[in-house]
Amino acid sequence: EAGVAQSPRYKIIEKRQSVAFWCNPISGHATLYWYQQILGQGPKLLIQFQNNGVVDDSQLPKDRFSAERLKGVDSTLKIQPAKLEDSAVYLCASSYSINRVLNSPLHFGNGTRLTVT
Amino acid sequence: GIQVEQSPPDLILQEGANSTLRCNFSDSVNNLQWFHQNPWGQLINLFYIPSGTKQNGRLSATTVATERYSLLYISSSQTTDSGVYFCAVQGSGAGSYQLTFGKGTKLSVIP
Repeated sequence: EAGVAQSPRYKIIEKRQSVAFWCNPISGHATLYWYQQILGQGPKLLIQFQNNGVVDDSQLPKDRFSAERLKGVDSTLKIQPAKLEDSAVYLCASSYSINRVLNSPLHFGNGTRLTVT
Repeated sequence: GIQVEQSPPDLILQEGANSTLRCNFSDSVNNLQWFHQNPWGQLINLFYIPSGTKQNGRLSATTVATERYSLLYISSSQTTDSGVYFCAVQGSGAGSYQLTFGKGTKLSVIP
C-alpha cells in the first residue's frame, strides 16, 4: 500500500512570498489532515477534510493560509503572504475514518520543511 | 480543549534497557494514538488504542480511559528506537474533531 505522498520536501522562500504544498493521501482514505509542526513541538492541526468538505479549520490562520481538496482526493495548502513564524514542517495525514470519531489510525507523509527568511 | 501531558520529556537509555512512557489527558477520549517520530522527521503510527492493551513486538501500550492515562512500554531498547514519541488524543466532547498531540518524549538509546 502506497503511503501519503507530499511535495516538495523542502522549500525556502522570503517573507511575503507565497508557497504551496501538495498532498496525495492513501487510496481510499476519506479524511485528510494538514498539520504544522514547529521545531521541538508536537504537530498542530491546521485543517481537516472529510472527502472534499472541511470538518475543522478552527486553527487555520485564514488571513494567510488556505487549503482545498478537490474531488475528495489530493489537497493543496497555500500560504500567502508568508511570515517568518511560518517556518515549520507541514505534515499531511490521512485516515480511513468517515465518522466524527476517529476510529482508525492516522498515517503521515514525510512532510515539507519550510524555511521563511 | 483537551490537554495532553507526556512524561518524561527526555529519556536516555542504554541499549537493551526497558522504559515506560506516560501520557495523561484531561478529559474523556474517543481515540488515542501513539506515534514515533524518527530522527529524519517521519511520523510512524505505533498504536491506535482508545482503551485496553496492545502489543507489537518489543512495544506494547495500555490505555486506562477511566483514569485518563496511557502508557507505552519499550522493552530491550535498540538504537533505532531513538526519536520522539507522541501521544495524541481526540476528546469525546461535542465539537471535538481534532487529534491533539502532546509535546512528546524524546528518547535517546545509546549503544
